[in-house]
Formats: sequence, C-alpha cells, structure tokens
Amino acid sequence: DAGVTQSPTHLIKTRGQQVTLRCSPKSGHDTVSWYQQALGQGPQFIFQYYEEEERQRGNFPDRFSGHQFPNYSSELNVNALLLGDSALYLCASSLVVAGGPEAGELFFGEGSRLTVL
Amino acid sequence: AQSVTQPDIHITVSEGASLELRCNYSYGATPYLFWYVQSPGQGLQLLLKYFSGDTLVQGIKGFEAEFKRSQSSFNLRKPSVHWSDAAEYFCAVGPRSNDYKLSFGAGTTVTVRA
Repeated sequence: DAGVTQSPTHLIKTRGQQVTLRCSPKSGHDTVSWYQQALGQGPQFIFQYYEEEERQRGNFPDRFSGHQFPNYSSELNVNALLLGDSALYLCASSLVVAGGPEAGELFFGEGSRLTVL
Repeated sequence: AQSVTQPDIHITVSEGASLELRCNYSYGATPYLFWYVQSPGQGLQLLLKYFSGDTLVQGIKGFEAEFKRSQSSFNLRKPSVHWSDAAEYFCAVGPRSNDYKLSFGAGTTVTVRA
C-alpha cells in the first residue's frame, strides 16, 4: 500500500520564478492538505482540497494556489517566488469521513525541499 | 486563535533515560491533540492522538501522552529512550471534526547521547 508520495524531492528556483509541486495521496484517501515548514519551525497550513475544490485556506497569499485532480492527486503552485518561500513543502492526505483507527489522522509525505535564490 | 507552545527547543537525554516533552495549547474548546515525529530529511509520522476518553494515551515506539484539561497540556513521555528516538517532535492541535486543519508547535529537537 503506497503512502503519500511527493515530487520533486528537491528543487532550486530563483526569485520571481514559478514552481509546481506534486502529491499523490495514500491509496483510498480523498483529501489533500498542503503545509509549509520553514527551517526550524513547525508546519503551517496552506490549504486543503476535497472533491477538486479548495475546502479551507490558511494565512497564505494568493501567490499560493492549488489543484486537485479526479484521481485525488494534487498540485501546489507558487508564483513570483520570494526568498522567504524557501521551505519544506509537505503534503498530507486523509479521509473526509474517517472512522476507526484512521479517524482524524493526517498521513504525510516526505516533502519537497524548495530553495529560492 | 489557536496556538501550540512547545517550551523546550532542544533536549539532550542519555540513552536509557526517561524523556518528557512539554506541550501547551490555546484553543476555544477541547481540540483533537496529536504528537508527530520527524526524522532528518523525512516527513512527519504520527506517534499518538487524543480525541476523548482516557486521558493517558499510548502510541507507537513506546511513547505515551497525558491530556490535562486544567493545564491545557498534552505532554509526551517515554520511560527509556533509544538512540533511534533522536528526532524532532511536534505537538499539534485540530478542531473536533474531520477537517484536519492542524496547528503545530515549533517543535522540540531531541538528541540522545550514548
């Protein structure tokens, strides 16, 4: 059973460029959330997708956008990159309606490390 | 607004010794509570979670945590630490629903010395 997979694992961009990060959720999961983890900090919620729509959004500017596809995979796009966007971007999947041992649990991928120069 | 405080940035413990990591939260109502662990270069792995019921919860890898409503705390403990427990630990809170919007603390880095 494949867990959450993210690509690419590392990438380097320059200021002003655009980046797309990809995520495939755990098999059977229908909800994808994205988190930004800056160096030395805890993850911060960016947004969440369910049924191909943005369901919730954290305190991030419109430069951050996303998409969810019919197969539940997701993309995170960041436009006009700033130095401060350098971080580990984590994707997490879950079930909207979850009971049993997975209730309320997020399953995280290993992240995409973005460096903006 | 909800917030999570992990007062200890870094803890060093000897192998075989006990470990306790502190977590305090501020939330409108009793939230769902979680502890995650992150090894270098890895994503986050759930250690344990508290939703309701018994305030002492058992997790994986020999960890346990105790929810204390009066202190708004959810401290993580392990009786005997192994070298493989060296990692960063995050406490997180979320609403009592399946919306999965978690707020994380800044983390505590645990170093294990031989």
